[in-house]
Amino acid sequence: DGGITQSPKYLFRKEGQNVTLSCEQNLNHDAMYWYRQDPGQGLRLIYYSQIVNDFQKGDIAEGYSVSREKKESFPLTVTSAQKNPTAFYLCASSYVLGGDQPQHFGDGTRLSIL
Amino acid sequence: GENVEQHPSTLSVQEGDSAVIKCTYSDSASNYFPWYKQELGKRPQLIIDIRSNVGEKKDQRIAVTLNKTAKHFSLHITETQPEDSAVYFCAATLGGYSTLTFGKGTMLLVSP
Repeated sequence: DGGITQSPKYLFRKEGQNVTLSCEQNLNHDAMYWYRQDPGQGLRLIYYSQIVNDFQKGDIAEGYSVSREKKESFPLTVTSAQKNPTAFYLCASSYVLGGDQPQHFGDGTRLSIL
Repeated sequence: GENVEQHPSTLSVQEGDSAVIKCTYSDSASNYFPWYKQELGKRPQLIIDIRSNVGEKKDQRIAVTLNKTAKHFSLHITETQPEDSAVYFCAATLGGYSTLTFGKGTMLLVSP
């Protein structure tokens, strides 16, 4: 579905550089999520947001930061403190925050180190 | 800690055979169990889900069963086709959290 748009599709980071991954949704969902996917590791939760101006750390938040200034947008910044940033990053959203809510995913951003 | 175990990690079947993927979870309070399919380089897509008040759910060739006592749930795909080849992830809510915990995935390969 085209409800969640992630950009860019591919991103390269130099040593010591912060990079920001974009996630926009037009599904009118309150909750949004960021996951990191590594081969054989499944999806691990980085940050999530229940509503505008609110967000919580997930299981692997160190080296990442987020903001939620608009309902539609939940950008993820990979900071220079994240020493192993190479991964596939997926953004998702759900109607409300809740463990019983289906999540819808974007197409992902593949981040690599130069 | 709380987790979701998924087996097998890889599964190869012949076209037309059935495939079964099993997940176990650690929190007896878990109440929602979705399954996602992810084709190579694409987004995970929800294919079926089940809630704790239901033991089985079917959607054409796909079914999910839940055994709350044993704390496991399984994905069943019948009459497999090459286009079923993908990575399948199970998930569950654990530890009273309001987010999902995902299994590590099963790579299903259906050979013609």
